[in-house]
Amino acid sequence: DTEVTQTPKHLVMGMTNKKSLKCEQHMGHRAMYWYKQKAKKPPELMFVYSYEKLSINESVPSRFSPECPNSSLLNLHLHALQPEDSALYLCASSQGAGVNEKLFFGSGTQLSVL
Amino acid sequence: EDQVTQSPEALRLQEGESSSLNCSYTVSGLRGLFWYRQDPGKGPEFLFTLYSAGEEKEKERLKATLTKKESFLHITAPKPEDSATYLCAVQADGQNFVFGPGTRLSVLP
Repeated sequence: DTEVTQTPKHLVMGMTNKKSLKCEQHMGHRAMYWYKQKAKKPPELMFVYSYEKLSINESVPSRFSPECPNSSLLNLHLHALQPEDSALYLCASSQGAGVNEKLFFGSGTQLSVL
Repeated sequence: EDQVTQSPEALRLQEGESSSLNCSYTVSGLRGLFWYRQDPGKGPEFLFTLYSAGEEKEKERLKATLTKKESFLHITAPKPEDSATYLCAVQADGQNFVFGPGTRLSVLP
């Protein structure tokens, strides 16, 4: 199994809603990532978990809250989002969190905030 | 500050018309340069990793090369299914990936 699975594929939410994005991998990877991608722009790193511990938070607003319940799962909890948060949210994993570790990406969740 | 640029921004080719995409980078202590392909509404798909100047890698119609300042992705006799956005990313010492803005490739039948 070489897949990173993300759910849901599409999400529409209001600014007062609370929702969660889910990501799962069964490749035994020990690093997992959340990226945000706006249309026609490259992915921007949000968070990195290494061995289930948050190792990098790229100054992301607190309305985004990551969680890593175990080595296979990664969640992104969303609360009080703004319309400018609408984007494709990508989860990725890698064998480790060191250098030269290629990333395996999921298909993403297309989020629209109304 | 680490920077990655890609050119052209968009490229339209006829089927069978070979061309090259460019990725230029400014980074201290390059540890790896990665090429990804991304289809609309999908996550990037890994293509190649290059580690040192002079290195080349091939996969089907794609060939990636690396110099000290840039990388090229050569596409030989492309087909419509090669249409996608091609992203390059660099990784320096202890750093996470820095992605370039991508090249949107369209191959017309």
